[in-house]
Formats: sequence, C-alpha cells, structure tokens
Amino acid sequence: AQKVTQAQTEISVVEKEDVTLDCVYETRDTTYYLFWYKQPPSGELVFLIRRNSFDEQNEISGRYSWNFQKSTSSFNFTITASQVVDSAVYFCALSEATNTGNQFYFGTGTSLTVIP
Amino acid sequence: SAVISQKPSRDICQRGTSLTIQCQVDSQVTMMFWYRQQPGQSLTLIATANQGSEATYESGFVIDKFPISRPNLTFSTLTVSNMSPEDSSIYLCSVGWAGLGDEQYFGPGTRLTVT
Repeated sequence: AQKVTQAQTEISVVEKEDVTLDCVYETRDTTYYLFWYKQPPSGELVFLIRRNSFDEQNEISGRYSWNFQKSTSSFNFTITASQVVDSAVYFCALSEATNTGNQFYFGTGTSLTVIP
Repeated sequence: SAVISQKPSRDICQRGTSLTIQCQVDSQVTMMFWYRQQPGQSLTLIATANQGSEATYESGFVIDKFPISRPNLTFSTLTVSNMSPEDSSIYLCSVGWAGLGDEQYFGPGTRLTVT
C-alpha cells in the first residue's frame, strides 16, 4: 500500500490564484515526520518544510502555508497568490523508523503549472 | 544544510556498458542515499551508502547491478552496470543525518539515457 498519496497528478492555475496540494499519509507509528519538497524544471529537489507528528500547528512562510491534521492523516500545502516561478513538481514525504533505520517514503508528486 | 554536487550531470550510454556517478558533499554527513527517478515518476530508493561497509540495498536492487562505494563521509559513487534502456532515468544522490526527523538534501541529479 502506498504510504504517501498525492491524488492530484497535475494542477494548472492562473497566476495569482491560490492552490492547495493534497497529501495523505499512512503510518502506525506515533512518532514520524512529514516533509514537502519542490522539484523545479531544473530537476534539483528543494526542501521546503518538515513537521513532526506531535506538532499540529499550521505553519506559514510567506506565500506558503501547511495544514497538518492527524485526524485525517493529511498534510496539505497551500500556495497563495501563485506565481509562474511556483511551477514545479511538489513531493510530500513521510519519515518513520524501520528495522533497518529511518526510511523516507515519497508520494508520486503533483505537477503544478502556473499560467501567466 | 549541505551542498551536493554530482558528476556527470547527464550522459548518453550504449546498452551493455557501465556508468559511474559521483556524489560529493561539502561537509561530513552521516547518511548518503541513492535514488532513481524514472520519467514522470516519484523517487525510488536504491540503497543507503554506508561509510566503510557495504551499502544497504532496497528490495528489487542488487549490488551486482548497482555497486556503490563510500570511502569517506563526503563522497560516494553509484555504478549502473550492464545498462539497458530500462535504466534510463534520473539518478539522485541525497545526504542526511541519522535522526528520524532529519531532512534529506538532494544533489542536482544525473540524467542517464541508455540507447
């Protein structure tokens, strides 16, 4: 079973619109971490945010905000007033402890296109 | 954070040959990882490169096909052996620390095309 599900494969929005990228995760652990990464067309993954399982406070950083809800196992990412530079593939990831060490599980990514 | 470089950035190779990809990080790190990202797909972990010992491979990946070296805390190589067109992919090196919540930092990737 997929541990991290990003149901939206592709999204297109017009510049200045708000957009929310969904992420649903699955784990039996009580301690885990969630991440968002951005992969622009250049290909390099850029770390955006980390959230631990005990901190459900929403976080805002400029035009970016994240909504973590343990009740629905979701960690959604909202971009406000989108810009063309936001066009990228966004990956949600889960980190949990396994028998062989800490393991990262990536979702399948959401490709965001911001149209000028 | 860490700055990671990979060489080569891209290559076109003939089937049956091998390619070694280098990953260099600007500081000592505990963990180094190798991922494969096939076109339009997510990241799949190939192996964890262990300093001074054999790499730990994920299910579906074997040492004969993807030998990995990690001679020190700042450098690792991944070799893609006896390549076939199915190996065409982006290969990504990432680094991290041993803590559960430690983020991984990624290199720019190596775009490999096998003809």
